[in-house]
Amino acid sequence: KAGVTQTPRYLIKTRGQQVTLSCSPISGHRSVSWYQQTPGQGLQFLFEYFSETQRNKGNFPGRFSGRQFSNSRSEMNVSTLELGDSALYLCASSLDGQNPSYGYTFGSGTRLTVV
Amino acid sequence: ILNVEQSPQSLHVQEGDSTNFTCSFPSSNFYALHWYRWETAKSPEALFVMTLNGDEKKKGRISATLNTKEGYSYLYIKGSQPEDSATYLCAFDRDDKIIFGKGTRLHILP
Repeated sequence: KAGVTQTPRYLIKTRGQQVTLSCSPISGHRSVSWYQQTPGQGLQFLFEYFSETQRNKGNFPGRFSGRQFSNSRSEMNVSTLELGDSALYLCASSLDGQNPSYGYTFGSGTRLTVV
Repeated sequence: ILNVEQSPQSLHVQEGDSTNFTCSFPSSNFYALHWYRWETAKSPEALFVMTLNGDEKKKGRISATLNTKEGYSYLYIKGSQPEDSATYLCAFDRDDKIIFGKGTRLHILP
């Protein structure tokens, strides 16, 4: 079966712009989580969506937002981009993010560079 | 502040040798502990999900143990092979969020 698909793979944006990243989960998975990885840092949890509702949220400013559609596809939006937003953004899908035994499957990520 | 610590940060191991590394996490509000292998230019790949104190999981030459009371998990690799070169991540699952460690970067020397 198809894995978790993230688009685009690479993106270059200018400070002040906004960006939207997309994540298509594995078919049947209803939970989608987003993570940010910057050099020297571990994966930082952004938020989790389940059945079109944000269920959990990490410690990121309001410039970071997301949504989930009825087909479980999720988008993440970052407004007013800053240089520090340059990072690898990963999404992960799960049957149900609240049952850990299902585990999480990650996409390949979107590499965002802000110049 | 919730911290998940992995040690060592980096490790060089001779091919054929066995190795292990550690993940330390808060001992309260435990829900699950995840281990992932992340090879360069690929997606993190799930190795184990561990939920019970005393859990031991095995997948080929890789195994893991869990102690939730003292807040640590060990990952063991027996007879290291070149394909084991990767970053190994652990993640503390607290139900409302998952906190990742920074990983242990494993290099297998020929």
